[in-house]
Amino acid sequence: AQKITQTQPGMFVQEKEAVTLDCTYDTSDPSYGLFWYKQPSSGEMIFLIYQGSYDQQNATEGRYSLNFQKARKSANLVISASQLGDSAMYFCAMSPAYGQNFVFGPGTRLSVLP
Amino acid sequence: DSGVTQTPKHLITATGQRVTLRCSPRSGDLSVYWYQQSLDQGLQFLIQYYNGEERAKGNILERFSAQQFPDLHSELNLSSLELGDSALYFCASSPRTSGGPEETQYFGPGTRLLVL
Repeated sequence: AQKITQTQPGMFVQEKEAVTLDCTYDTSDPSYGLFWYKQPSSGEMIFLIYQGSYDQQNATEGRYSLNFQKARKSANLVISASQLGDSAMYFCAMSPAYGQNFVFGPGTRLSVLP
Repeated sequence: DSGVTQTPKHLITATGQRVTLRCSPRSGDLSVYWYQQSLDQGLQFLIQYYNGEERAKGNILERFSAQQFPDLHSELNLSSLELGDSALYFCASSPRTSGGPEETQYFGPGTRLLVL
């Protein structure tokens, strides 16, 4: 069965510094997608970034990048130049093969300190 | 703003009651997904509809049901409510359903349900 692990329940980072949020996954499917979502205290789930299992390059979206290491089954989110507004819960999710649905990790709460 | 709308934003009701949560997907999206987020269970997939038909079922209780209408909006019905049903309920939509792993799901703002 597919599973997502996020081993950091909470993280602190100083404003303007970079931070890495860990995500490891378990699947036997050869094709899958990996996603990161942000959930601020207001509750909405905001899509940040996507990485396909066959993508050769790591995905980037503005200040977000995904450090994809397929052999290690890890898909860490890197946020550069942290801002106070980055304080939120961050969820890693996996979309397995055709016809199956997202599996979410337990989340990491990021706090950005001024 | 993801383009997915959910109503109501908040709902307070009593045990044993029945409620209906409504979701309108992004324009053009054919797939709708329902999720439950509670403190102890995390984010759990409930059910998926594609163009009016049920496509996949997750951890959905028999007391819960859903449907997707011809205009593609969806409703999640929760009946015989229990205290443990208190949670944040999300609807998400995706552009198409190849069902492939590249499909991004865009989430609505959620409905916060409190059962007293």
